[in-house]
Amino acid sequence: NAGVMQNPRHLVRRRGQEARLRCSPMKGHSHVYWYRQLPEEGLKFMVYLQKENIIDESGMPKERFSAEFPKEGPSILRIQQVVRGDSAAYFCASSRRDSAYEQYFGPGTRLTVT
Amino acid sequence: QKEVEQNSGPLSVPEGAIASLNCTYSDRGSQSFFWYRQYSGKSPELIMSIYSNGDKEDGRFTAQLNKASQYVSLLIRDSQPSDSATYLCAVTPSGGSYIPTFGRGTSLIVHP
Repeated sequence: NAGVMQNPRHLVRRRGQEARLRCSPMKGHSHVYWYRQLPEEGLKFMVYLQKENIIDESGMPKERFSAEFPKEGPSILRIQQVVRGDSAAYFCASSRRDSAYEQYFGPGTRLTVT
Repeated sequence: QKEVEQNSGPLSVPEGAIASLNCTYSDRGSQSFFWYRQYSGKSPELIMSIYSNGDKEDGRFTAQLNKASQYVSLLIRDSQPSDSATYLCAVTPSGGSYIPTFGRGTSLIVHP
C-alpha cells in the first residue's frame, strides 16, 4: 500500500484519557499535515510538519494537543485529557517537497470520546 | 480572514447530465486551487488542481479558474451515480503557504 496510512482507524477513549493518532506519509513524501473534521463542518487545518520540525501549528489548540514527526517512524498527533468535544475525524495528509501544494489524504481516524 | 465559499447543496442532477460546482474565494492573491471528492464516511480524494486562469480537463472533469472574478468551478460531464459525493474546494493563500483553506463542500446527488 503506497498511500498515506493512519492508525487506528477508530479510537474510543473515555473523558480524561489520552489519544494517540499515527500517520505514515506516502512514500517519497516529506510533508505531513493534520486536519480535523467535525460532522457537517469543513476540514480545519491543525498542524504542518516536516521531519523533526513543526512548520506551522497555527490551527492547533493551545492546550492538550501536540504533534511530532520524528526522524524515524510515523507522525503522531497526541491529545491529552480528551473531552467530548474532541470527538471528530482526524485526517492526515502528505505531500512531496517539490509539489507541496498537492496533498493526499489518509483514511482518517475516527475518535469517539465517551 | 481568508474564506472559501461553496453552496452546500444538495445539487441533484440526472445521470448523464453535466454537474456544475462552484466556489468563490476572498484572497485575491491566491495561487493554487484544488477540488477534492469525499464520499460519506471516507477521506478527501484529490481529483483536480489548477494554477492558472482558464480550463483544465482530465477525463470527465473540467476545472475552470477565473482569478479576476475570484471563482473556481468544477464541471463533471456524463455524471454517474458513483459521482454522488461531497466536493470540497480548497484554495492556497498568497504568501507561499502550503496550507489550503477548505470550503464546506457541495453535496452532489446523481440520480439514475
